[in-house]
Amino acid sequence: GNSVTQMEGPVTLSEEAFLTINCTYTATGYPSLFWYVQYPGEGLQLLLKATKADDKGSNKGFEATYRKETTSFHLEKGSVQVSDSAVYFCALIGSARQLTFGSGTQLTVLP
Amino acid sequence: KAGVTQTPRYLIKTRGQQVTLSCSPISGHRSVSWYQQTPGQGLQFLFEYFSETQRNKGNFPGRFSGRQFSNSRSEMNVSTLELGDSALYLCASSLGGDGPTYEQYFGPGTRLTVT
Repeated sequence: GNSVTQMEGPVTLSEEAFLTINCTYTATGYPSLFWYVQYPGEGLQLLLKATKADDKGSNKGFEATYRKETTSFHLEKGSVQVSDSAVYFCALIGSARQLTFGSGTQLTVLP
Repeated sequence: KAGVTQTPRYLIKTRGQQVTLSCSPISGHRSVSWYQQTPGQGLQFLFEYFSETQRNKGNFPGRFSGRQFSNSRSEMNVSTLELGDSALYLCASSLGGDGPTYEQYFGPGTRLTVT
């Protein structure tokens, strides 16, 4: 079956630091890949997506590139802000149309 | 355009009772999926409905059921509640087709506490 492995947290960074959250996946076929973000007490917000190999998804300064050869979709941001503090989930969806999530990575950004 | 709405936001029930949660998808979206989020198991897929038909189901016992109405609104029901059913239940809607329409948009969730 499909699976997603995410970098263990929590991750604590200072404001303006560079962020990388690693994500690798196992799936049959050609899944679409996503990053979702969850702020305290809220549901999941779609942060970015990529639907085929070498696609780069980007939004709000965050980027991730669909790497089929390494089955990876790492999330990066050049300069994090305190407001980026949240839990980040890597996820994939395949032909079964159900999202398979990683375990989530708690990010805390200190001023 | 209004987002996905879920009611109620918080619920406290006693073991053995049943509960019904409601989800209204984004206008024009025909697919509704339900997920359970717990600290121990993370995010797990419950089921998906499309055009009033269950199209996909996760590995949950039959106590968990759902339905979808002609206006795409969906309900999920949990009967004979157990303590382990305490969780955040998230509803997600999507257009329901292939390709980019796979992207799912989530509601704020219903926090269910079973005592």
